[in-house]
Amino acid sequence: KQEVTQIPAALSVPEGENLVLNCSFTDSAIYNLQWFRQDPGKGLTSLLLIQSSQREQTSGRLNASLDKSSGRSTLYIAASQPGDSATYLCAVTAGANNLFFGTGTRLTVIP
Amino acid sequence: NAGVTQTPKFRILKIGQSMTLQCTQDMNHNYMYWYRQDPGMGLKLIYYSVGAGITDKGEVPNGYNVSRSTTEDFPLRLELAAPSQTSVYFCASSGMGSGQPQHFGDGTRLSIL
Repeated sequence: KQEVTQIPAALSVPEGENLVLNCSFTDSAIYNLQWFRQDPGKGLTSLLLIQSSQREQTSGRLNASLDKSSGRSTLYIAASQPGDSATYLCAVTAGANNLFFGTGTRLTVIP
Repeated sequence: NAGVTQTPKFRILKIGQSMTLQCTQDMNHNYMYWYRQDPGMGLKLIYYSVGAGITDKGEVPNGYNVSRSTTEDFPLRLELAAPSQTSVYFCASSGMGSGQPQHFGDGTRLSIL
């Protein structure tokens, strides 16, 4: 059974700092890996999707990497802003296009 | 663009009552999903559908039923509500193929008292 773990569970950083969120998964037989953002009381917004054949994806200040063989992904956020405060979820796609989620990292960026 | 729309946004039920959570998408996606999210936990898959008339169980299907009579709609039914079903429910959809991202609705917050 696929297990997805995210470390740390919570993180507070001062504005402007660069930061890294970590995600690990137990079964490397995945189609892709997605990073989502979730604001309180809201749904999930897809940030980046990395196909299993890719190593990384970039969107603005966000960069996600994937090492499928070791079961790891990182989300790098450059020059953090207070508006980046949210919970970040990692999920891998396996089986019949099913997503397996981690429990998330709650990020607070302090002005 | 509406995307994935869920109704209602909030609901309180009494133990033993039944209700249907509605989900509709306007992206002509074949794949649709229902997840639940408990406090401090990741999302867990309840049921999914790969097309009209086809549904299958996910990780936590007990206590729920689904149907998929059209491409657009994928309702989730709770027949006998139990306190353990208090959760936030998310519906999602995606196009066909293994590399397609899932698009989520804003969720239904359900409390069973």
